Amino acid sequence: GAGVSQTPSNKVTEKGKYVELRCDPISGHTALYWYRQSLGQGPEFLIYFQGTGAADDSGLPNDRFFAVRPEGSVSTLKIQRTERGDSAVYLCASSPDPNYGYTFGSGTRLTVV
Amino acid sequence: AQSVAQPEDQVNVAEGNPLTVKCTYSVSGNPYLFWYVQYPNRGLQFLLKYITGDNLVKGSYGFEAEFNKSQTSFHLKRPSALVSDSALYFCAGSMGSGNTGKLIFGQGTTLQVKP
Repeated sequence: GAGVSQTPSNKVTEKGKYVELRCDPISGHTALYWYRQSLGQGPEFLIYFQGTGAADDSGLPNDRFFAVRPEGSVSTLKIQRTERGDSAVYLCASSPDPNYGYTFGSGTRLTVV
Repeated sequence: AQSVAQPEDQVNVAEGNPLTVKCTYSVSGNPYLFWYVQYPNRGLQFLLKYITGDNLVKGSYGFEAEFNKSQTSFHLKRPSALVSDSALYFCAGSMGSGNTGKLIFGQGTTLQVKP
């Protein structure tokens, strides 16, 4: 597609539930990133994929968070046993070359009630 | 620790006046620096980047930024502000060549341009 697509745009879930957030990067972009943006803050890095593999997952806050990119295109961010503190906007970005900046999607606003 | 700071939460400027949004960085190696803009309910949009070369970088929508190594700054500028420039601006940095492209963002500066 023309841009980075993220679905759903909004997700409300109950505390303790499992959620999946999807990212469709720009076609051909090998690098894919997930960030989390809390209210009033700048985005914080979660994980970086180069192709199918997670090249840097140092930003994942704990083992409840996991992400996959099985075919090197679409990526899914998975959050288990959600907590109210997980509420944030989750941003996905892709790039043909990680050194040259990237294109962000519009994000998924996750609200845990 | 690597960090990017935007010392002003909000900048107010009158339409037609020059605007500056400040950014300082502490990034190891040769830094790659970026500015992004975020409009309400939309994703971040790339404005410009500094990788190497000229310290004055020109980007989208008439914005420019000056890389100052001695002051570790990368301030965003525009000679004449427009009301439509009102938005949230983020400065970001990453370590230079060979890095993963992982960006460290500042906390953001809200720019308010008044007619």
